[in-house]
Amino acid sequence: GAGVSQSPSNKVTEKGKDVELRCDPISGHTALYWYRQSLGQGLEFLIYFQGNSAPDKSGLPSDRFSAERTGGSVSTLTIQRTQQEDSAVYLCASSRFRTEADYGYTFGSGTRLTVV
Amino acid sequence: DQQVKQNSPSLSVQEGRISILNCDYTNSMFDYFLWYKKYPAEGPTFLISISSIKDKNEDGRFTVFLNKSAKHLSLHIVPSQPGDSAVYFCAASGGAGAGSYQLTFGKGTKLSVIP
Repeated sequence: GAGVSQSPSNKVTEKGKDVELRCDPISGHTALYWYRQSLGQGLEFLIYFQGNSAPDKSGLPSDRFSAERTGGSVSTLTIQRTQQEDSAVYLCASSRFRTEADYGYTFGSGTRLTVV
Repeated sequence: DQQVKQNSPSLSVQEGRISILNCDYTNSMFDYFLWYKKYPAEGPTFLISISSIKDKNEDGRFTVFLNKSAKHLSLHIVPSQPGDSAVYFCAASGGAGAGSYQLTFGKGTKLSVIP
């Protein structure tokens, strides 16, 4: 597609349940990022995929969070045993491999996750 | 520890006037700075960037200034238009090697341009 697509756009889940968030990046973009924005906060880096390289998971806040990227395209962020503090907007972005001249990510519209 | 700080949560400006959004950073390894604009229920949109080897970058009504010695950058919008009303995020990345692709974001400044 023309842009980064995320689904669902909104998700309400009960505390303790698992959730899966999906990201479909721009075709041909080899780099994919997950960020999240909690209320009143800036965007927080979660994880980065680049081609077939091992992902950088350094931003994942706990072992309840995991992410996959299948076939170098679609990515799924999974949160197990959700907690109320997981409530946030989860944003996915993609870009061509980073060069000095081309550094603007393209973000999706995000998934607003509410844990009740 | 916030490495990128936007100390003004909000700013109101009259249409046609200049909007100045400020950003401070603490990490001297940052070498690339970006501004993103975000409308409600949409993802952030890349607006303009600047490399640390420059002190100014201009794109139409938008200019970003970088003062490395003060670890400060600013975004100027002139003239401001009602459609500029949005949340503006300052972001930075830096250094070579692992983590250089990560963007560290500020908390954002909500700009309201009053017609």
